[in-house]
Amino acid sequence: NAGVTQTPKFQVLKTGQSMTLQCAQDMNHNSMYWYRQDPGMGLRLIYYSASEGTTDKGEVPNGYNVSRLNKREFSLRLESAAPSQTSVYFCASSVRATVGRNTIYFGEGSWLTVV
Amino acid sequence: KQEVTQIPAALSVPEGENLVLNCSFTDSAIYNLQWFRQDPGKGLTSLLLIQSSQREQTSGRLNASLDKSSGRSTLYIAASQPGDSATYLCAVQETSGSRLTFGEGTQLTVNP
Repeated sequence: NAGVTQTPKFQVLKTGQSMTLQCAQDMNHNSMYWYRQDPGMGLRLIYYSASEGTTDKGEVPNGYNVSRLNKREFSLRLESAAPSQTSVYFCASSVRATVGRNTIYFGEGSWLTVV
Repeated sequence: KQEVTQIPAALSVPEGENLVLNCSFTDSAIYNLQWFRQDPGKGLTSLLLIQSSQREQTSGRLNASLDKSSGRSTLYIAASQPGDSATYLCAVQETSGSRLTFGEGTQLTVNP
């Protein structure tokens, strides 16, 4: 049971570089999410996809783009990385957007440093 | 805007002690509340989910309670073990949407 898989695990970028974080889930979930976790700020939602073919902004979307490639995959792209985007990024998925009785599953995180 | 606060930020206890972690939220109109565990360098694992109509949920040595009117939830851990050492986060889901609002977590250390 792979669950939610994120790649890469670690990445160092120079300011202005671009990169894509990949996420895939094998639980046939409809909804997928990208969060960032920063000291003193907790987890904050960047973007989410309630279902295949839809994406919506979360709390902190500026500087990011997402693609829901298919039901399994949800990628997060940094077009021009900035030091403020240094963070730990988590992908998550749930059966549907209204979590309700269904729990949310997280990947193990991607540590991104922008220098 | 919903805000979730967890106190204390860190807690260190001897093995075997019963302990309570606190979570408070500012807007009582929530859909549900979840408690998560996060081990160092890992993602979050859901421990307990309490629907807004429920007062508590139990799983093994864990018991989570919810008091919507006062905007509080507690996670009770009985007979703590070193393996319980982790960061515990609570999150609320608001009635109107899918976003989870997380607290910053309580870092728990259980000493042998």
